[in-house]
Amino acid sequence: DGGITQSPKYLFRKEGQNVTLSCEQNLNHDAMYWYRQDPGQGLRLIYYSQIVNDFQKGDIAEGYSVSREKKESFPLTVTSAQKNPTAFYLCASSSDATNEKLFFGSGTQLSVL
Amino acid sequence: GESVGLHLPTLSVQEGDNSIINCAYSNSASDYFIWYKQESGKGPQFIIDIRSNMDKRQGQRVTVLLNKTVKHLSLQIAATQPGDSAVYFCAENTNNAGNMLTFGGGTRLMVKP
Repeated sequence: DGGITQSPKYLFRKEGQNVTLSCEQNLNHDAMYWYRQDPGQGLRLIYYSQIVNDFQKGDIAEGYSVSREKKESFPLTVTSAQKNPTAFYLCASSSDATNEKLFFGSGTQLSVL
Repeated sequence: GESVGLHLPTLSVQEGDNSIINCAYSNSASDYFIWYKQESGKGPQFIIDIRSNMDKRQGQRVTVLLNKTVKHLSLQIAATQPGDSAVYFCAENTNNAGNMLTFGGGTRLMVKP
């Protein structure tokens, strides 16, 4: 099946710890995105990548880092600098240069211990 | 996941009735709009999209209406079913830097049997 796979489904972070969320797609899409979702709010863009080896900050990039070494993969690291990391994290991809129709993964719920 | 939609506007409808979910968008320069459905614990799924050169677009049991005069978008679901219960998000392409989608806060649809 073609799609976007996020792992793990649930993740717990200790104080001062960095954690990495995985996102893999086999749709052959060029662009990939990370969004954060908090209760009662819309999706907020953390980082995006339009092409391999290139990525751009979104609206709330502070405390996060990404890499795009392969077309299929766009991992997100939540660093210890992110003081309020508890949220639902969504990865998405799109095939076209207009970045319009996004396909989403099933999400990772990150909580702080 | 469990963190989604705790304080969202809620629309409650009877099974078999039609549902109308509304969205006010922010930017008169937006030229593309999209509706997503998000079930609990899952990522958003594409429902239907529309460009600004159209007023109406129909899919299977769903219709999107666009009123550019008042910057209003609506999603109509015919013969609402229990499986339609979810949070619905609209998003617009505001043609900002990077051409990213901007998401609304979402509306929870609850279908009563």
